[in-house]
Amino acid sequence: SYELTQPPSVSVSPGQTASITCSGDKLGVKYAYWYQQKPGQSPVLVLYQDSKRPSGIPERFSGSNSGNTATLTISGTQAMDEADYYCQAWDSSTGVFGGGTKLTVL
Amino acid sequence: EVQLVESGGGLVQPGRSLRLSCAASGFAFADYAMHWVRQAPGKGLEWVSGISWNSGSIAYAESVKGRFTISRDNAKNSLYLQMNSLRAEDTALYYCAKAQGQDPYSGKFDPWGQGTLVTVSS
Repeated sequence: SYELTQPPSVSVSPGQTASITCSGDKLGVKYAYWYQQKPGQSPVLVLYQDSKRPSGIPERFSGSNSGNTATLTISGTQAMDEADYYCQAWDSSTGVFGGGTKLTVL
Repeated sequence: EVQLVESGGGLVQPGRSLRLSCAASGFAFADYAMHWVRQAPGKGLEWVSGISWNSGSIAYAESVKGRFTISRDNAKNSLYLQMNSLRAEDTALYYCAKAQGQDPYSGKFDPWGQGTLVTVSS
């Protein structure tokens, strides 16, 4: 079965750039989606089709996807961005999530 | 405003059944595929099942295939998940989510409901 691999944790200082990777076989030929989940809350879509931002998502969230790796980049990271982030893709008509990355802003 | 409200969760013994519901409002429910995604306590997200706008296409995760059945009633703007032969590993918060388009095999999950908790334990 298809797998997406994320680092369990990423730390960043306020105002700096955070990058969260998501790796999967030939992921670059698929679309990657990214969700943010804060404690006790439901997931929220922050990027779709690799790099598109839904309405209401700040411009500091950006994304790319090439080869075997998709990357979520948060520029000028703020304390409010501290959360779990999940990547997601489709493979053989099945939805697949990465294991999630805990972003700590300190 | 799009709203998805799940219900039907609870404590159930292993081997028993449970039916989850998701009431949708604020969008043309009949025009979109819908999904169920679950999250075990303290764990990550797992896609469970998806259904097309007209129920003509349905997909399941291997972990639930043959035990769970997804359905929808467009007249009632409602999505359902019938869960049979429940196991301890099915314990999770179950979310319903709106799909990007009409098919259940692609696209984003947006938005998500608040979830309903299913606990499988004797």
